This record gives sequence, structure tokens and C-alpha cells, in this order.
Amino acid sequence: HLQLLESGPGLVKPSETLSLTCIISGGSFAGSSYYWGWIRQPPGKGLEWIGSIYYRGSTRYSPSLQSRVTISEDTSKNQFSLRLKSVTATDTATYYCAKMLVVGPRVADAFEIWGQGTMVTVSA
Amino acid sequence: DIQMTQSPSSVSASIGDRVTITCRASQSVRSWLAWYQQRPGEAPKLLVYEASTLQSGVPSRFSGSGSGTDFTLTISNLQPEDFATYYCQQADSFPLTFGGGTKLEIK
Repeated sequence: HLQLLESGPGLVKPSETLSLTCIISGGSFAGSSYYWGWIRQPPGKGLEWIGSIYYRGSTRYSPSLQSRVTISEDTSKNQFSLRLKSVTATDTATYYCAKMLVVGPRVADAFEIWGQGTMVTVSA
Repeated sequence: DIQMTQSPSSVSASIGDRVTITCRASQSVRSWLAWYQQRPGEAPKLLVYEASTLQSGVPSRFSGSGSGTDFTLTISNLQPEDFATYYCQQADSFPLTFGGGTKLEIK
């Protein structure tokens, strides 16, 4: 069955770029209708949607992060990525990658399978 | 943005009890509403989508209902593994938004 695993540095300096990769195992999504998202959770707080990537790489981002975020996919490597530039301490959070639920021909925009999450701290 | 408001923010209950959690949207999300369970130290788990459809493998003691702006998640016959935090999420329009969470604790 499909599993997701976030990979990337646990510590990023302020003003630098946070880069995370989600590695997909248990299946290949090349040529398949798989769609993906990133969600984050600051320590002790709730969930925040960052963005999602859809058919042929089309993306949607949270307006509050849109100017700083890029989500991309590499089907040949069975992975997709998150880049968040110009980070500050408020970007400190656990970052989750997730597979979006597809119901029949439609993307349900809910998150069906989650990675275990990776904690990223922004600090000098 | 559509604001999602959950109530209560926390609730205490006993094993075997029935609990209802409410989620209200600031505007209609039709039936595009999902519920998640998050245990401490774990990733969220999808329980319900499209307001009332149980995700595969989720026990039938969980049920979701509602449409428009008002939704509920009901857990019957509470089990020890059900004590967790629950989140709703609207999937009607971008940006996708989550409720603030409801923490279910053992009484």
C-alpha cells in the first residue's frame, strides 16, 4: 500500500529557504491520477493547508503563503517537493505531505494518506 | 477564506459514551466537509469525507452528518483509542481550511 515519507533538514535559518521532499513508496504514480498536498502544524496548534498539486502539475496555494511557496513533482523519482522561501520563526512547524482523495473521476480535496510528518525549526 | 469553527474546543467523556462534535462554516460548503482524527505524536487520519461518507477501514461507531454550514461528527460507544483531537476541513473552495480542533479527553 502507498506510504509517504517527508525528508529534509530539521533546522533552517531565518530568511533562508525551507526545502522538503515527500518520497512515495508502495506504488508508482507516473501516469496515474494521484494528487498531492502539503499541510503544516505549528507546535501545539492546529492544521494549516499550504498547497496542493494536481493534474499535469497544476498547483493551488494558500494565499497567505503564495508569494513564498512552490510545490513541484518528479514522477520519475516518485516524489514531490515543497519549497518555502524567506522563512521566519512563524514557519516553525511539523510539515506533512499527503495524498489527496480521489472519488471516481473527481478530486475530493481531502487528505487520504499522510506522511508521518517532519518537524522544521526556523532559528539562527 | 471560509472560516471553520469547531465546538466544543475540548470535551471529557467516558468509555462507552456517545459524543458529538460540531463544525460550523462561515459560508456554505455544501457537503464538501471532511473529518480527521489526530492522536498525540501522530499524523491526522481521515475519518469521514463528503460530510457523511466513512473512509474505508474506519469503525462504524463514527458517523458524520450535515450540509451547508453545520456539520456534526458523532462517536458512539467510545473506545480508549478514540481519545484524540478531531479536526474538520472544508473542501468546497480554496484555500482549504481546517477547524481549530476538538480535544476529546477521558473523564
